[in-house]
Formats: sequence, structure tokens, C-alpha cells
Amino acid sequence: EVQLVESGGGLVQPGGSLRLSCAASGFTFSSYWMHWVRQAPGKGLVWVSRINSDGSSTSYADSVKGRFTISRDNAKNTLYLQMNSLRAEDTAVYYCARARYGDSAFDIWGQGTMVTVSS
Amino acid sequence: DIQMTQSPSTLSASVGDRVTITCRASQSISSWLAWYQQKPGKAPKLLIYKASSLESGVPSRFSGSGSGTEFTLTISSLQPDDFATYYCQHSPWTFGQGTKVEIK
Repeated sequence: EVQLVESGGGLVQPGGSLRLSCAASGFTFSSYWMHWVRQAPGKGLVWVSRINSDGSSTSYADSVKGRFTISRDNAKNTLYLQMNSLRAEDTAVYYCARARYGDSAFDIWGQGTMVTVSS
Repeated sequence: DIQMTQSPSTLSASVGDRVTITCRASQSISSWLAWYQQKPGKAPKLLIYKASSLESGVPSRFSGSGSGTEFTLTISSLQPDDFATYYCQHSPWTFGQGTKVEIK
């Protein structure tokens, strides 16, 4: 079964750090670009970051640039999001998603992991 | 940056109704548009890609059209399972703010 499973969310104080993981299975992970998308409570979807298939190219939303780092370990079939200098406005469910080659649509999503930034 | 604007924000409809949601891009995005359905507490689900291509396994009552800056998602006959929030996306970047389809 094609699957993405996020982990690593939790409660963190403002200014703190957290690393999210997204474990992929059922497909050739190293062939796909991967993305992180977040959704604050009661709000819409917001694109956060993406990484190309071999990890050599990344991009970020302006709101997280310089604070978040996306990476991947193709040997472990795992995507990561290192989040530093966290703010209250980073509170959200974080989803990892697979971008399909050719049309860039997000065809596979994880179940999401909740990150709460609060003192 | 390209902005995506959906309308309406909320839509009240009945089972069997024909429903149309509009998504406008702040500049041309050709056909680089996807539509997703999201239900509470669940991850989004891909419905339409490249503006008008139906994702495998998605019922044929869903259809997409448009190119350039104006796009529509149409549900030809609304079913109970379709009450959800719908998002457009300039693939693979910016999402619209969402359209909640409610029971009338």
C-alpha cells in the first residue's frame, strides 16, 4: 500500500525546535519530489516547503524561510522538516505530500501531525 | 507571488444540486491547477489535476474546467458524501482559501 506516515509533532514553547518525519512506503520514494503543507486550526491549507527527488534543491514559503529546513534520506525512505525558532503562528497540522511527476499534483498525503507552539 | 482566490467561501446546497466553485489566479497559470476535497480531521484528497483531468477512482460527477486565470470545479449532482471543503491549488504551490459545501 502506498503510504505516508508523519510523526514528531507535539507541544513546544515559543522559540523552541521540533523535527517532523514522514515515512514513505509502497512506492519508490527516491523518484518523487516531496512537500510539506500545514493547516492552522480552522484555517485553510498553506504550502510550506518542497524538496526535489535527490535532495539537491529546496524551496520555502516566505513565512518559514530561514527557520525551517526540509531534507530527506532516500536510503531510509523518510522526509524531514526541521523547525527552529518556532512561533505561535506555526501552530498547525503538518502534512507531507507526494508530488506526482508530470503534473505536480499532490496525489498521496500523510495523515498529518499536530504542532502546538505555546508557553 | 501568484495568489489564488476561490468563490464562494461557503455554499449551501441540497442533495442532487449542481454545484460550481470558482478559482481565480492573479496571473496566468496555464492548466497548472488541481482541486482537492477535505473532510474534517482528514487529509486532503486529490480530485482533479491539470485543471480538467479526473483523478483515478474519483466519481465522474466531479469535473474541472478552465485555463489561464479562471477555473471551475463542478459537481453535477451533489451526493451526501460530497459535503466537505474544497481547495484549488496552483500546482504545486499556492492553495485557494477553500470553499465549504454545506447542507442546505
